[in-house]
Amino acid sequence: QIQLVQSGPELKKPGESLKISCKASGYTFTDYAMQWVKQAPGKGLQYMGWINTQTGKPTYADDFKERFVFSLETSASTAYLQINNLKNEDTATYFCARGGRKALAYWGQGTLVTVSS
Amino acid sequence: DIQMTQSPSFLSASVGDRVTINCKASQNINRYLNWYQQKLGEAPKLLIYNANSLQTGIPSRFSGSGSGTDFTLTISSLQPEDVATYFCLQHNSWPYTFGAGTKLELK
Repeated sequence: QIQLVQSGPELKKPGESLKISCKASGYTFTDYAMQWVKQAPGKGLQYMGWINTQTGKPTYADDFKERFVFSLETSASTAYLQINNLKNEDTATYFCARGGRKALAYWGQGTLVTVSS
Repeated sequence: DIQMTQSPSFLSASVGDRVTINCKASQNINRYLNWYQQKLGEAPKLLIYNANSLQTGIPSRFSGSGSGTDFTLTISSLQPEDVATYFCLQHNSWPYTFGAGTKLELK
């Protein structure tokens, strides 16, 4: 069955960086784009952008163009979200989700990122 | 960006009730509208895609309707396990945008 398994929770200080992984299984990784979504505590869902898993080309929504990097390790069917120069407002749960005809049909379990000094 | 206005923000209903949740797009999104259910501490789960197509494994009490700018999610007979927050997502235009959510509780 299709699964997206994300890395575990992170506790970081402002200014640090982190990298979240999203390992896909149950389908051909390069057949579908990978999307990323942010959910701040007690808030709604915010679409961050996507990465083309065939070419590796990322596309970022406006709020995520500065410190956010999407990348791939295709041989491991894994997508990554890196956040640089962390800020308090980056505290959130981050989800990866598989793209395709149904848009975001399959989701990872989420990775909680806490930024605190 | 396309704005998705979801209503109501909060809904209290009894088991067996018919429940409707609405999403209005700021411009035409054709039928590119999904509905998700999110329970506390879990990832969103796709219920309805492309306005009215039921995702595999989702109970038939969930249905979706609409096209253009106005969309509705209907739960025909509310069950206790339906307590959750529901979100819409437009995927017609870049960037995709979500509604703010509807928190559904039991009366």
